[in-house]
Amino acid sequence: NAGVMQNPRHLVRRRGQEARLRCSPMKGHSHVYWYRQLPEEGLKFMVYLQKENIIDESGMPKERFSAEFPKEGPSILRIQQVVRGDSAAYFCASSTSGRRRETQYFGPGTRLLVL
Amino acid sequence: QKEVEQNSGPLSVPEGAIASLNCTYSDRGSQSFFWYRQYSGKSPELIMSIYSNGDKEDGRFTAQLNKASQYVSLLIRDSQPSDSATYLCAVNGSGGSNYKLTFGKGTLLTVNP
Repeated sequence: NAGVMQNPRHLVRRRGQEARLRCSPMKGHSHVYWYRQLPEEGLKFMVYLQKENIIDESGMPKERFSAEFPKEGPSILRIQQVVRGDSAAYFCASSTSGRRRETQYFGPGTRLLVL
Repeated sequence: QKEVEQNSGPLSVPEGAIASLNCTYSDRGSQSFFWYRQYSGKSPELIMSIYSNGDKEDGRFTAQLNKASQYVSLLIRDSQPSDSATYLCAVNGSGGSNYKLTFGKGTLLTVNP
């Protein structure tokens, strides 16, 4: 049973370029969460999505960041015009529901480095 | 701003000892509490969840919750070198955002052979 899959695992971008991070949830999971982990910081919630719906994007920067989870295919976190401060590990998690006791299972993460 | 605080460590214990990790949280409405283990450069892995006051045991791990004190802890008995990792405390949001996990910065545990 495949777990949460993320790609690429490592991504290098120059300032001003776009970064696209992909996440395929565990089989049977339709709820996806994105978290960011800055160096020496804890994981921070960014966005919560269900198929074709953004439920909560309160943790996403207002500018340059967007997320989607289409009916078909993986969830995408998109960062436009990247800056050095975007360098971080981006983790995707998934669950079967959004209920409070539901375990969120994490993918291996994408480590973004902005030069 | 909902917060989760952990001792940053590092915490160093000898092999076979008990490691005690602590966490406090600010949101009184939180109902679900999780401990994740994260090896360097890897993703968080769930090791324990607890929802009710008291103790919950799973093998060498025991989670303890005291909602009145807004305190949750993790005990690791018979610590092994393979337990060396960063341990993240996570707390769910209250009300309509109960899906949202707030993480502490983690406690780095080193178990010395």
